[in-house]
Amino acid sequence: DTGVSQDPRHKITKRGQNVTFRCDPISEHNRLYWYRQTLGQGPEFLTYFQNEAQLEKSRLLSDRFSAERPKGSFSTLEIQRTEQGDSAMYLCASSSATGVDTIYFGEGSWLTVV
Amino acid sequence: GEDVEQSLFLSVREGDSSVINCTYTDSSSTYLYWYKQEPGAGLQLLTYIFSNMDMKQDQRLTVLLNKKDKHLSLRIADTQTGDSAIYFCAESLDSNYQLIWGAGTKLIIKP
Repeated sequence: DTGVSQDPRHKITKRGQNVTFRCDPISEHNRLYWYRQTLGQGPEFLTYFQNEAQLEKSRLLSDRFSAERPKGSFSTLEIQRTEQGDSAMYLCASSSATGVDTIYFGEGSWLTVV
Repeated sequence: GEDVEQSLFLSVREGDSSVINCTYTDSSSTYLYWYKQEPGAGLQLLTYIFSNMDMKQDQRLTVLLNKKDKHLSLRIADTQTGDSAIYFCAESLDSNYQLIWGAGTKLIIKP
């Protein structure tokens, strides 16, 4: 499978716990994005990497959120001290720097904070 | 500010054409996209159009762009039950391809 893969697909956690999601982009893509989607809404941009550099962060990304892409390949999104409002689907996407039609999304990681 | 709007539901009969509409506010959009999302799944890129084009056709899909009215539409010919999904319109404003999304239109197919 050469698509964008995300892990885990589902996570249920207690309020206050930390969670980490992993994204493996399509191998030749150097751009990687994280989005958040809640029920009945379109995705909201969180952050974007070109290679290992984090180039843009949304104001939605509070201090409790951190994303890394240490070697320019896979990325992790960590949420510390989770709150119920963090319950959402976290979507990862990747694209090449030259192709406008190559923004591909993974299946998403569902987070439920109880 | 940036805003993308879509109607929430569209119901069509199997075999008819579906037309899903989208309006956007930022005239500096470079590309406009249509994505499809099936229940519990990620987003599948269906098609996109560059802002200096007014039409693009790809098999059963036709995209129309009216830049003056900031209106985008997606026409699906011969709608099938497998087309049931939520369809999202999105625009990108700069070369970083950060996307601004609508809330999605749920396409319901009647037999």
